[in-house]
Amino acid sequence: DQQVKQNSPSLSVQEGRISILNCDYTNSMFDYFLWYKKYPAEGPTFLISISSIKDKNEDGRFTVFLNKSAKHLSLHIVPSQPGDSAVYFCAASVNNNDMRFGAGTRLTVKP
Amino acid sequence: DAGVTQSPTHLIKTRGQQVTLRCSPKSGHDTVSWYQQALGQGPQFIFQYYEEEERQRGNFPDRFSGHQFPNYSSELNVNALLLGDSALYLCASSPRQGGWGETQYFGPGTRLLVL
Repeated sequence: DQQVKQNSPSLSVQEGRISILNCDYTNSMFDYFLWYKKYPAEGPTFLISISSIKDKNEDGRFTVFLNKSAKHLSLHIVPSQPGDSAVYFCAASVNNNDMRFGAGTRLTVKP
Repeated sequence: DAGVTQSPTHLIKTRGQQVTLRCSPKSGHDTVSWYQQALGQGPQFIFQYYEEEERQRGNFPDRFSGHQFPNYSSELNVNALLLGDSALYLCASSPRQGGWGETQYFGPGTRLLVL
């Protein structure tokens, strides 16, 4: 069962512009959401997270927004840099149990 | 610090065989989680070990089993392999303290092909 969905397999953005990656979920019990970044031949690395009690969390160029009523979260990268080119996974968990991942979105930032 | 290491990097097996994958956690980490990532999909949580016991389990059949050793390293065993078990198997380690999601470090994975 796909409880976490990333409907865009790929996204291409010009350097310096904003990248917006989207994620939808179906389980209203999820209380913690995370974004991971993955380069080829490496494991995913943690990028940013948000608790269900918040609607926004910011860390430098990265901001995650959570819309609980729509069961939707998004990752904004501003400004985008070529080094941001990677696969981005969103993930969600209930009380720190059984983490569920989306299928990933491949971001390409063009110089 | 070598980070999380996994062996082997690649493996080819035939249906019905058994396989064992190995993981050494990052220094200072005592918790190991295993994930299966099929082609074009995100990682799927298999199970998590700490204090040498399975603590959480995802929706995987009993053919998938594991073990954690006193030095915190871990093995994933899969019996009676099916074609659908072909995937990248990721190991992630984390410390018991702190949020699991934020603190887990992933290894590069073992790519298993079942023919």
